[in-house]
Amino acid sequence: TQLLEQSPQFLSIQEGENLTVYCNSSSVFSSLQWYRQEPGEGPVLLVTVVTGGEVKKLKRLTFQFGDARKDSSLHITAAQTGDTGLYLCAGVSLNNNDMRFGAGTRLTVKP
Amino acid sequence: EAGVAQSPRYKIIEKRQSVAFWCNPISGHATLYWYQQILGQGPKLLIQFQNNGVVDDSQLPKDRFSAERLKGVDSTLKIQPAKLEDSAVYLCASSLERAIPLHFGNGTRLTVT
Repeated sequence: TQLLEQSPQFLSIQEGENLTVYCNSSSVFSSLQWYRQEPGEGPVLLVTVVTGGEVKKLKRLTFQFGDARKDSSLHITAAQTGDTGLYLCAGVSLNNNDMRFGAGTRLTVKP
Repeated sequence: EAGVAQSPRYKIIEKRQSVAFWCNPISGHATLYWYQQILGQGPKLLIQFQNNGVVDDSQLPKDRFSAERLKGVDSTLKIQPAKLEDSAVYLCASSLERAIPLHFGNGTRLTVT
């Protein structure tokens, strides 16, 4: 069972569209990280969110950490084909600093 | 800075054979992780080292998997004997300290036939 539930599992959209993907848990995290993974490569860190309610922007990507620090969302504006990849969230446990990954959202942006 | 290096990139073995993977973390990174990523799933932590000591190996199938990190730098992960369900990408990651952003290698894709 996944500690972190990511949705949707798959998402296919046209270039220029907006999208939001979600990362939910019943556990509280000290921090949460978002990674993007492309085929044949390891995950690459996009952002770390730490404070409940925090919003971080990275160009066209907007990340939000829930007030209770149990969930997070990633919003992409005007998606580009280069955004295609597997988006993974990873939560750091309050208790023991362990980090666990969700199963990811596989995004395909079509030209 | 040089990234996390892993080898080999690909490995195909038959079930019941043995296999070993190697990882060289980023210089100065005290914490090293091995993850297993099965197709369609997120990475699952197998083992975490802090320097050359094991911090967490609760999800490592110890009857067949072993890992070591001699001298607190390079690490090897071994599977002996392999099963079909071990087919996956094995990712190594390192970080300066526990739980701050991880830097991943490109992984070793293992196929067990």
